[in-house]
Amino acid sequence: QVQLVQSGAEVKKPGASVKVSCQASGYTFTYLTIHWVRQAPGQRLEWMGWINTGNGITKYSQKFQGRLTISRDTSASTVYMELSSLRSEDTAIFYCARSVGATKELASWGQGTLVTVSS
Amino acid sequence: QSALTQPASVSGSPGQSITISCTGTSSDVGSYNLVSWYQQHPGKAPKLMIYEGSKRPSGISNRFSGSKSGNTASLTISGLQDEDEADYYCCSYAESSTWVFGGGTKLTVL
Repeated sequence: QVQLVQSGAEVKKPGASVKVSCQASGYTFTYLTIHWVRQAPGQRLEWMGWINTGNGITKYSQKFQGRLTISRDTSASTVYMELSSLRSEDTAIFYCARSVGATKELASWGQGTLVTVSS
Repeated sequence: QSALTQPASVSGSPGQSITISCTGTSSDVGSYNLVSWYQQHPGKAPKLMIYEGSKRPSGISNRFSGSKSGNTASLTISGLQDEDEADYYCCSYAESSTWVFGGGTKLTVL
């Protein structure tokens, strides 16, 4: 059973960047595809992108292209999500989640990380 | 990439059945039988309830079922219980190896 544990809450100023981590356990790390999902207060889930932890290949939603970087550290079994040029509308809970091979569902989720953007 | 379309809210009494629809396009729901459904209680992370349109993960009650016709997927909850009150989101695999969520539906158990 894959477990995903995320880093703690962050407070950032507009224009800054934030880097959130997601540590995986319970499965061979390099076999995982990890996604990031954003949920603004009272709003819907929004898919941001994914990384193949084996080869490092990434795919981003067009909405976040240019501001989003997903990376991984295989030695630490950890995936990172970095969002730059933060604005107040980026205040949200960010979740990491693991998708399953051919069937594509997001089977396991992290506990979420609240990022607050405020001057 | 636009969000999949779900009703904002549905409601039902305990013991009744409700259905939540999820309408996409030929670029997502219509082209892939890879729709999943998630339940989210306030302040909690989403929980997988249905995958591949109609399959239940281990431990999910058979009161939850899914189906798909054309560009529209549906989640049916039968025998409504108080604990089913939550937000529900559909999600589809889409072209170019992307994923897209629905707008979410708030289920109220009366």
